[in-house]
Amino acid sequence: DAKTTQPTSMDCAEGRAANLPCNHSTISGNEYVYWYRQIHSQGPQYIIHGLKNNETNEMASLIITEDRKSSTLILPHATLRDTAVYYCIVRVNGGSQGNLIFGKGTKLSVKP
Amino acid sequence: DAGVIQSPRHEVTEMGQEVTLRCKPISGHNSLFWYRQTMMRGLELLIYFNNNVPIDDSGMPEDRFSAKMPNASFSTLKIQPSEPRDSAVYFCASSRQGWNTEAFFGQGTRLTVV
Repeated sequence: DAKTTQPTSMDCAEGRAANLPCNHSTISGNEYVYWYRQIHSQGPQYIIHGLKNNETNEMASLIITEDRKSSTLILPHATLRDTAVYYCIVRVNGGSQGNLIFGKGTKLSVKP
Repeated sequence: DAGVIQSPRHEVTEMGQEVTLRCKPISGHNSLFWYRQTMMRGLELLIYFNNNVPIDDSGMPEDRFSAKMPNASFSTLKIQPSEPRDSAVYFCASSRQGWNTEAFFGQGTRLTVV
């Protein structure tokens, strides 16, 4: 799987949008971009994923650049409960290449 | 569905003892992952099963660690003998095989080896 690069930490004011960047310059054509988060003492939680089109769900939006070498996870209105470590992962879905490998992630702190 | 169920939630054992961690994946999921998390090393993938078959066990630290998946609804991770450096939180996750799949994680087992 391609490696990803994320900032170690970020702060965001409550109610504002949190924009979390991820670089994956060596991503392959069949690799998806996944985002997970881990709230303290809990198991990681799936947020969103995409291949090349922008995606949106009830939790977040995922913006992938046209060359697919980077992406941004957007939490439109961050709350204190969004404080967590956010992981950007690239992987091939399924079969023998379906490993889900976590990096260091970005520690997002949402402040009142 | 109750989600991925791990047991026990907490385990304290003495060095040299055998430890068995258990995982029940979500029904219908046929991919299963075991992870270990420590402050120093973060989340490490230990082993990945697909249709009950181990696909990649390159993350298993050493021969003291073994994992089995005898059927689609149960998996174990065994450490024998356990050592203090095995102390960590162990997570199990499952997903459906194929494209566009998300993995669901259990709440983890916090293992302390004294």
